[in-house]
Amino acid sequence: EAGVVQSPRYKIIEKKQPVAFWCNPISGHNTLYWYLQNLGQGPELLIRYENEEAVDDSQLPKDRFSAERLKGVDSTLKIQPAELGDSAVYLCASSLAGREASWSAQYFGPGTRLLVL
Amino acid sequence: AQSVTQPDIHITVSEGASLELRCNYSYGATPYLFWYVQSPGQGLQLLLKYFSGDTLVQGIKGFEAEFKRSQSSFNLRKPSVHWSDAAEYFCAVGAPGGGADGLTFGKGTHLIIQP
Repeated sequence: EAGVVQSPRYKIIEKKQPVAFWCNPISGHNTLYWYLQNLGQGPELLIRYENEEAVDDSQLPKDRFSAERLKGVDSTLKIQPAELGDSAVYLCASSLAGREASWSAQYFGPGTRLLVL
Repeated sequence: AQSVTQPDIHITVSEGASLELRCNYSYGATPYLFWYVQSPGQGLQLLLKYFSGDTLVQGIKGFEAEFKRSQSSFNLRKPSVHWSDAAEYFCAVGAPGGGADGLTFGKGTHLIIQP
């Protein structure tokens, strides 16, 4: 079974430029998460989708960050414009859990490492 | 809100020696508990999870963890480490009732294996 797929794996951009990250979850996983991991820290949740609905985006900086999961499968996270402080690893995870389902472990992709110059 | 503390930023262990990584959580009830491992440049791999039942849980790669409610701890153990175990280890908690909520992670423990 294929795991969570993310692309690109690495991205270097100049500040004020836009950038987008793509995630394809494990087949059949209805819940998708985007996490931000700063150097030396644990991941922090940015946004959670159940199918195509964003059910928790309270930690997403909405002035510059946006996300979508139009067909309830793969998802895109965008930053526009990027700032120096956005340099981090952006992790995508998926699970079978949902509001009507019991807890399920989250499975992570390899992440996209962003460097903003 | 729940929180996770991993008191050890770095731990150095000799190859073949036993290992224990500490994790303490703060939550009003029994949370769901997880340990993940992250190798350099990689995503997080699930080692094991505790939802309910037996407080000693077995995971992959020979790891186990024990949930101790009285100590609010979920320490990770391995009887004999291998050089390939060198990585970053994260403890995480999830809130019961929030079936799909995001996890709260500790800051991680960096494991170094000495030959």
